[in-house]
Amino acid sequence: AQKITQTQPGMFVQEKEAVTLDCTYDTSDQSYGLFWYKQPSSGEMIFLIYQGSYDEQNATEGRYSLNFQKARKSANLVISASQLGDSAMYFCAMREGYNTDKLIFGTGTRLQVFP
Amino acid sequence: DGGITQSPKYLFRKEGQNVTLSCEQNLNHDAMYWYRQDPGQGLRLIYYSQIVNDFQKGDIAEGYSVSREKKESFPLTVTSAQKNPTAFYLCATTPGAGEAFFGQGTRLTVV
Repeated sequence: AQKITQTQPGMFVQEKEAVTLDCTYDTSDQSYGLFWYKQPSSGEMIFLIYQGSYDEQNATEGRYSLNFQKARKSANLVISASQLGDSAMYFCAMREGYNTDKLIFGTGTRLQVFP
Repeated sequence: DGGITQSPKYLFRKEGQNVTLSCEQNLNHDAMYWYRQDPGQGLRLIYYSQIVNDFQKGDIAEGYSVSREKKESFPLTVTSAQKNPTAFYLCATTPGAGEAFFGQGTRLTVV
């Protein structure tokens, strides 16, 4: 069955340092997509980065990069040069298939950036 | 502007009452989703729909119902059978491949 696991309920990082948020997934499909979202206290969901299962290169978007290790079924989010505004909940999500239906989320990691 | 509109932003429900949460999109996306989020927790899938007049149960569909009569609209009804409905509800759409787009959410409270 499709499943996303985020084992870190909370993480702390000092401003300007890098931090890695863990995500592992379980799927029997060969084609799938992996996503990371940020949720500030306002509740909105902000899309950060996407990795397709057939993408050979790790995805990057500005300060965000996705460390995709297909054999280990992990898709960790790396945030470089953390900023105070990065403090939020972060969710890993997966959709099986290339153009299909069910989109599921992990339980999230609360990141707190301190000065 | 293209986007997803959820209404109302805050909703109060009395015990035993049905309430309907609205989700409208003008992005022309086929797939739409409803999620429930409890405080400090992740998003759990309630229902999803890939095309008009068709929808599937997610992981926590009991006590909820949906309809998809138009591509733009995917309302969620929280019925009296849902014993613990207080939560934050998020509607999302996807264009197929690519990321999901979310509405601003509805915070439902039982009074």
